[in-house]
Amino acid sequence: AQSVTQLGSHVSVSEGALVLLRCNYSSSVPPYLFWYVQYPNQGLQLLLKYTSAATLVKGINGFEAEFKKSETSFHLTKPSAHMSDAAEYFCAVSVTGGGNKLTFGTGTQLKVEL
Amino acid sequence: GAGVSQSPSNKVTEKGKDVELRCDPISGHTALYWYRQRLGQGLEFLIYFQGNSAPDKSGLPSDRFSAERTGESVSTLTIQRTQQEDSAVYLCASSPQWGNTDTQYFGPGTRLTVL
Repeated sequence: AQSVTQLGSHVSVSEGALVLLRCNYSSSVPPYLFWYVQYPNQGLQLLLKYTSAATLVKGINGFEAEFKKSETSFHLTKPSAHMSDAAEYFCAVSVTGGGNKLTFGTGTQLKVEL
Repeated sequence: GAGVSQSPSNKVTEKGKDVELRCDPISGHTALYWYRQRLGQGLEFLIYFQGNSAPDKSGLPSDRFSAERTGESVSTLTIQRTQQEDSAVYLCASSPQWGNTDTQYFGPGTRLTVL
């Protein structure tokens, strides 16, 4: 079975600083990987997804993530944090043969400080 | 266009009562999913529907949980004889087709509190 681990349930950065949210996956077959963002009192919104094409994936709002098979990682980055980036971020995985259901990590709450 | 909608947004019930949660997917989306989000935890898959195929119920935690979907429209998640551990946010999502790389579009959720 596949799984996702997000290191750091809370991350705090200064406005303008680099954002790095960590995600590691476990899967016996090639994975498809997703990052979703959840703003307060809203549903989850897709930021980006890896579908076995390019390993560097660019998403909305200036976020990107790089799939590294050797490290079983799919970390999310943004060069310069903005106050509006404060939200909860979820990494998720799905695999062929596992249905289309997503297996989520426990989430990382991002705080952006002035 | 309209996104995924869920009702009610909040539901408070007493232990032992039955509850029904409703999801209206995006029009034309053939796949529909239910997830549960407990406090401090990630989303947990419950069930999904794909067109007229048999639903995948592998994530339902007990036989107190059931869900129905009429065609490619509304879905209802029913929890019978609710327990305090059922307290969570229940999220519904839909996607245009059924595929591992298809984006799932999520509703705002129903927050269920069992007293």
